[in-house]
Amino acid sequence: QVQLQESGPGLVKPSETLSLTCAVSAYSISSGYYWGWIRQPPGKGLEWIGSMFHSGITHYNPSLKSRVIISVDTSKNQFSLKLSSVTAADTAVYYCARHSDIPSWGQGTLVTVSS
Amino acid sequence: QSVLTQPPSASGTPGQRVTISCSGSSSNIGSNNVNWYQQFPGTAPKVLIYSNDQRPSGVPDRFSGSKSGTSASLAISGLQSEDEADYYCAAWDDSLNGVVFGRGTKLSVL
Repeated sequence: QVQLQESGPGLVKPSETLSLTCAVSAYSISSGYYWGWIRQPPGKGLEWIGSMFHSGITHYNPSLKSRVIISVDTSKNQFSLKLSSVTAADTAVYYCARHSDIPSWGQGTLVTVSS
Repeated sequence: QSVLTQPPSASGTPGQRVTISCSGSSSNIGSNNVNWYQQFPGTAPKVLIYSNDQRPSGVPDRFSGSKSGTSASLAISGLQSEDEADYYCAAWDDSLNGVVFGRGTKLSVL
């Protein structure tokens, strides 16, 4: 059964770049499916950030597109999220996920934007 | 603003049947499968229903999903206190090439 695990700094300063990595086990990213990032601000709903096809094609939420980059490292079987120029509004639990018939999600990691 | 529309809250008494609706458009629900998630405070969303009406192993058959046109619904029968949680619908959107979510429905068991 595929497993996903997010990792990265839990605290980022305003105007800096948030960087997270999703390590995937028990399935090769290059084998197929879309892989993506979703976030949930404290007390709020779920927001899709962006997704990447296993070939490397990416699609981003229009509201975040100018600040987001999703990339893949097939040698490590992991994919990454970079969100630039962060503000307090970017404080959220960030989840990575495999968009498959039965979606699989990581446990999530809280990122707080604060000086 | 969420692309999928859900009621913000729902409630029922133990043993009752409750349904939660999810309305979308032709680019998401109308042309793709719907998934439903259950989320308890402080935990990651869990897949409750996938591909409109399929239950992952371990999900009780009290939970069922359906889809018609550009709408979907989640039904919970034999409501139990442990069903108190937030429920989200989600679907792939062909216009965005991404996932769209409802804003979530908070279910209370009275």
